[in-house]
Amino acid sequence: EIVLTQSPGTLSLSPGERTTLSCRASQRVSSNYLAWYQQKPGQAPRLLLHGASTRATGIPDRFSGSGSGTDFTLTISRLEPEDFAVYYCQQYGSSPRTFGQGTKVEIK
Amino acid sequence: EVQLVQSGAEGKKPGESLKISCMGSGYGFANSWIGWVRQMPGKGLEWMGIIYPGDSDTRYSPSFQGQVTISADKSINTAYLQWSSLKASDTAMYYCARLVHHYDSRGYNIPTYFDYWGQGTLVTVSS
Repeated sequence: EIVLTQSPGTLSLSPGERTTLSCRASQRVSSNYLAWYQQKPGQAPRLLLHGASTRATGIPDRFSGSGSGTDFTLTISRLEPEDFAVYYCQQYGSSPRTFGQGTKVEIK
Repeated sequence: EVQLVQSGAEGKKPGESLKISCMGSGYGFANSWIGWVRQMPGKGLEWMGIIYPGDSDTRYSPSFQGQVTISADKSINTAYLQWSSLKASDTAMYYCARLVHHYDSRGYNIPTYFDYWGQGTLVTVSS
């Protein structure tokens, strides 16, 4: 089973700042099959990116993803008030599919 | 518009059985994988298992194999998650979600990431 480790656990930032979230896999993620989701309190998760870097429909271009192999990142170029949430990575290159434990982006 | 609508919150006692549901609309239900994700209170997301309603191909994460049963009725566009004997540790929010899939070079149907999610069903198990 691929273990995904996200870091840091929590980020305290201000609107307008740029941030990078990390997702590290215990083994290579096949074909860079990695997705990122955003979850706000009391809501279901929402797909942001798949294939490590492809934005889902309707996702603003301030969200970008990069990486390959075992190291992946999600970058938010300029935090908007609605971006404060928890972010999860998920690999779908191997079975069983697994999620990271999440990174919380909170308002400083 | 793709929609997944889940059944309402449940309060159960340990040892009781339970079946929650997820109805899909706005897409070909039989031809898309649908899965279940657990979120325990204050915790992260856990991939439980998936089903392809068209042929009932079902796959479980090892952590959930034997603990729950996933099923689907394509005639009414509904997937299910059920327990035969609930434990207090089953207390959680459960989400259903549709998966995108593709076919590999051998023609196998490969489930990938979740693109649409239900609103969640809160299951509380307490004596």
